[in-house]
Amino acid sequence: QKEVEQNSGPLSVPEGAIASLNCTYSDRGSQSFFWYRQYSGKSPELIMFIYSNGDKEDGRFTAQLNKASQYVSLLIRDSQPSDSATYLCAVNAKGGTSYGKLTFGQGTILTVHP
Amino acid sequence: NAGVTQTPKFQVLKTGQSMTLQCAQDMNHNSMYWYRQDPGMGLRLIYYSASEGTTDKGEVPNGYNVSRLNKREFSLRLESAAPSQTSVYFCASSSRLSTDTQYFGPGTRLTVL
Repeated sequence: QKEVEQNSGPLSVPEGAIASLNCTYSDRGSQSFFWYRQYSGKSPELIMFIYSNGDKEDGRFTAQLNKASQYVSLLIRDSQPSDSATYLCAVNAKGGTSYGKLTFGQGTILTVHP
Repeated sequence: NAGVTQTPKFQVLKTGQSMTLQCAQDMNHNSMYWYRQDPGMGLRLIYYSASEGTTDKGEVPNGYNVSRLNKREFSLRLESAAPSQTSVYFCASSSRLSTDTQYFGPGTRLTVL
């Protein structure tokens, strides 16, 4: 089992719809959760981070965390063609040899079509 | 404020050649990282430096060495390049080695023939 798993997609949604991206992780000690966006040929850039169970909203983006289910998701409301990119989920472990190191999922490719 | 910079942007090597990838950050961050990204594999940590003067292995360190030259600079060296090291390499930095956000450089696309 991979430590951080994402559906590689591609996920295709129409412009204006809600895009839902999901991520599961295996380390119950994980404390911090990040969503990065990566355009083709570019470097990852942070969209949101979340530490506590529940929802965190920032503009059109909402991150949801459920530690009991080891599940984190990213919702993008009113999706735009400019949101088309690969979305990377990253998890930061609490302790042990993984402390402080991010483990990335393989990424979900999102395409928003007009 | 340039953030994280990397040189070179592109490089082609022959098997057995050596090279050093350079990374520098101007955000006064303590921690720096080197990742490689391969299709379908996501980002994998090669080495990291929690603070100036320390370096540790990540998930895929074989075939690489690193040097934390000072607080700003963290280099990655391939002593004898192999085709399996063909990849895109990203350097990143963060304020601390804990829960802090990592900021990425633009990447180096390396091809080993």
